[in-house]
Amino acid sequence: GAGVSQTPSNKVTEKGKYVELRCDPISGHTALYWYRQSLGQGPEFLIYFQGTGAADDSGLPNDRFFAVRPEGSVSTLKIQRTERGDSAVYLCASSVGVFGAYEQYFGPGTRLTVT
Amino acid sequence: AQSVAQPEDQVNVAEGNPLTVKCTYSVSGNPYLFWYVQYPNRGLQFLLKYITGDNLVKGSYGFEAEFNKSQTSFHLKKPSALVSDSALYFCAVRDMVDSNYQLIWGAGTKLIIKP
Repeated sequence: GAGVSQTPSNKVTEKGKYVELRCDPISGHTALYWYRQSLGQGPEFLIYFQGTGAADDSGLPNDRFFAVRPEGSVSTLKIQRTERGDSAVYLCASSVGVFGAYEQYFGPGTRLTVT
Repeated sequence: AQSVAQPEDQVNVAEGNPLTVKCTYSVSGNPYLFWYVQYPNRGLQFLLKYITGDNLVKGSYGFEAEFNKSQTSFHLKKPSALVSDSALYFCAVRDMVDSNYQLIWGAGTKLIIKP
């Protein structure tokens, strides 16, 4: 079956611009996660959704970052007034459930470069 | 506090030799343990997990991992390494008891298999 997909695969933007990153999870997965990964490091948690609601957004670095999942499937991560420090690979993952032993399935990521 | 340690930044193994990538963890209760692999410019792929039961867990691509409760370790192993196994490997843990759903990630170990 289809895995997690993310678009675009690469995004180059100028400092100060607004960007949207999209994630399409595996069908039937209720939990969706956003992570940020810098080169050679492990994933840094940003936010997770259970259904339509953002159950925990404690990992979002500041109020320039926002994410939505209006119909409980596709999610969009939105970054306002981008800064060079936002440059990273943004990973999306989904899982059948949130708690317990459920593994997460990751998309290929969106490489964001802020110039 | 929950934590995961991958004590080796890089592991070098000759093709055909056995490999081990180390992981130790700290949780307050019993752990759910996971291994993921990341190939260059790709998202993270789930390899295997330990939930309960047999301490030796078998996963994808011929990998296995051994859970050792007394040593709080979950080392990844493969009897005979392939050049194609060269990648970045991440260990992650979730506490069975703690209601925190988040996976705690190690910093990753770069595995290099030389022909």
